[in-house]
Amino acid sequence: GAVVSQHPSWVICKSGTSVKIECRSLDFQATTMFWYRQFPKQSLMLMATSNEGSKATYEQGVEKDKFLINHASLTLSTLTVTSAHPEDSSFYICSASPGTSGVKNIQYFGAGTRLSVL
Amino acid sequence: QKEVEQNSGPLSVPEGAIASLNCTYSDRGSQSFFWYRQYSGKSPELIMFIYSNGDKEDGRFTAQLNKASQYVSLLIRDSQPSDSATYLCAVWGKLQFGAGTQVVVTP
Repeated sequence: GAVVSQHPSWVICKSGTSVKIECRSLDFQATTMFWYRQFPKQSLMLMATSNEGSKATYEQGVEKDKFLINHASLTLSTLTVTSAHPEDSSFYICSASPGTSGVKNIQYFGAGTRLSVL
Repeated sequence: QKEVEQNSGPLSVPEGAIASLNCTYSDRGSQSFFWYRQYSGKSPELIMFIYSNGDKEDGRFTAQLNKASQYVSLLIRDSQPSDSATYLCAVWGKLQFGAGTQVVVTP
């Protein structure tokens, strides 16, 4: 099956610093990548959708200036949490999809990044 | 009303029995339907996808789709303790995930 690599798997940072999370599709080209956040015992919350070479589409309530998304190539998307605060502590998960129709709609998930902001 | 609805559970199932999970969706234009399994503290992993009305079987898992009634279900046969997880239904026409159903398989 398709593999999506997400790095780092966990990170601890001080309040006010920025953290970058990488998401790579290893054996396919990802037309679309997605970023989710999940708090303990809650469901996935879609933060944004990104297509290679274009600006990300953010969900309502997600601050685009705080969560910077770059989808520079068909295999790499990054999420930067800027000026992180303790309330940003969460489990961030990326997913990648080879296409937008038919069987290519499948999303393959990275292993997730657990962010703790002190 | 949520666009993709699932019972949150927990759904308690004896080992060896059949677990039945349901998912309803509101967007009639939805084309693709997916079931993911998520263990606690881990990211979701794809179990099955289905596009056409009817049943689709893969090992111990069977997905059932009824577009007229706007529901998709997942059956887990011969449930094992390792099947204990949260099962997420995902619908693509407009991307939506359900909140998930927690399944607990008891030995």
